[in-house]
Amino acid sequence: AQSVSQHNHHVILSEAASLELGCNYSYGGTVNLFWYVQYPGQHLQLLLKYFSGDPLVKGIKGFEAEFIKSKFSFNLRKPSVQWSDTAEYFCAVNDMASSASKIIFGSGTRLSIRP
Amino acid sequence: DAGITQSPRHKVTETGTPVTLRCHQTENHRYMYWYRQDPGHGLRLIHYSYGVKDTDKGEVSDGYSVSRSKTEDFLLTLESATSSQTSVYFCATVNREGGTEAFFGQGTRLTVV
Repeated sequence: AQSVSQHNHHVILSEAASLELGCNYSYGGTVNLFWYVQYPGQHLQLLLKYFSGDPLVKGIKGFEAEFIKSKFSFNLRKPSVQWSDTAEYFCAVNDMASSASKIIFGSGTRLSIRP
Repeated sequence: DAGITQSPRHKVTETGTPVTLRCHQTENHRYMYWYRQDPGHGLRLIHYSYGVKDTDKGEVSDGYSVSRSKTEDFLLTLESATSSQTSVYFCATVNREGGTEAFFGQGTRLTVV
């Protein structure tokens, strides 16, 4: 079955530190990939997405992610984090072969930024 | 934000009672989903719909049923609520097959006592 793994459950950084959150997926076919962010008490919002083309994808708020097909990975990065980036981050995969367009989520990574 | 409304936003219910959560969208999106969010588990798919009266089970469907009688509404029913169903429930929609991201409602916090 298709699955998404986020190995970092809780990451604590100081402001201005660089961020990389790992995401690996199990499905070998064509997929769409997403990173969502959930600020405290809010619903999920899209940070960025990869459908095809340039494997380096730029999203909102200075985030980017790199799709490495050979590693089944889609890691999220930000060169310099801010206190306002404190949130939970979810990687997700949409199976392009599925007629139902199911989106499967990872278990999430909680990011805490020390001021 | 996409026009996705969940109701109620908060609910406390007793074990053994049926509960229905409603998701209403104004975007005319074909695909709709119910997820539950629990600490350490991320979002897990309960049921989804790929059209009116077309639904299927997700990974954690036991104890839940759904109905979709029209494009804009997707109902999730807990047939006999249990404490293990205490969670935050999110509805999501996708505009077209495989090609776009999901848009989420604000969530429903359900507590079963």
